[in-house]
Amino acid sequence: NAGVTQTPKFRILKIGQSMTLQCTQDMNHNYMYWYRQDPGMGLKLIYYSVGAGITDKGEVPNGYNVSRSTTEDFPLRLELAAPSQTSVYFCASSFHTNTEAFFGQGTRLTVV
Amino acid sequence: EDKVVQSPLSLVVHEGDTVTLNCSYEVTNFRSLLWYKQEKKAPTFLFMLTSSGIEKKSGRLSSILDKKELFSILNITATQTGDSAVYLCATTQGGSEKLVFGKGTKLTVNP
Repeated sequence: NAGVTQTPKFRILKIGQSMTLQCTQDMNHNYMYWYRQDPGMGLKLIYYSVGAGITDKGEVPNGYNVSRSTTEDFPLRLELAAPSQTSVYFCASSFHTNTEAFFGQGTRLTVV
Repeated sequence: EDKVVQSPLSLVVHEGDTVTLNCSYEVTNFRSLLWYKQEKKAPTFLFMLTSSGIEKKSGRLSSILDKKELFSILNITATQTGDSAVYLCATTQGGSEKLVFGKGTKLTVNP
């Protein structure tokens, strides 16, 4: 009963390094999302996807890239890590936009 | 600009108290409002509300939506320490593929 699985759970990056946050879901959901959550703030949408091969920018896409080659996977790529990207990242999926979103357990990223 | 505003931002109560958390919204083409509970990690779903005036209940938690006044409340009766969490409110919109989240209300229930 996996749901939405994110890896890694935490990571420390040096400024300028790159990394990919992995997200996979086994619920056959069309919609997938990446959010970041900063302390005391709500969730802000980075990118989303409405299906395999289709991605679009959210509120805060700068510094990130995504791909959706399969229904199950929606990786988030940071190319040149910056301290401003220190945050907790959540991946989520839903069957439709108007249905419950299921969240992964989050990835705590620190850029130093 | 679409926005979801939650109040209060934080709340400290004693076990057994009843609390009411507020969520107001200004979003175009509103479809539904969702409540999530976030403890240490991922938000977990509580309720989805689409119709005004119809209360949804789950144990000690209940929620209702007022589409005329553009707000929702989440009630928790007989609070327990396990209710301590951040409660997030979010809206969905027709023609948009995203959830708009409020900043959350941090609830602390002391024994």
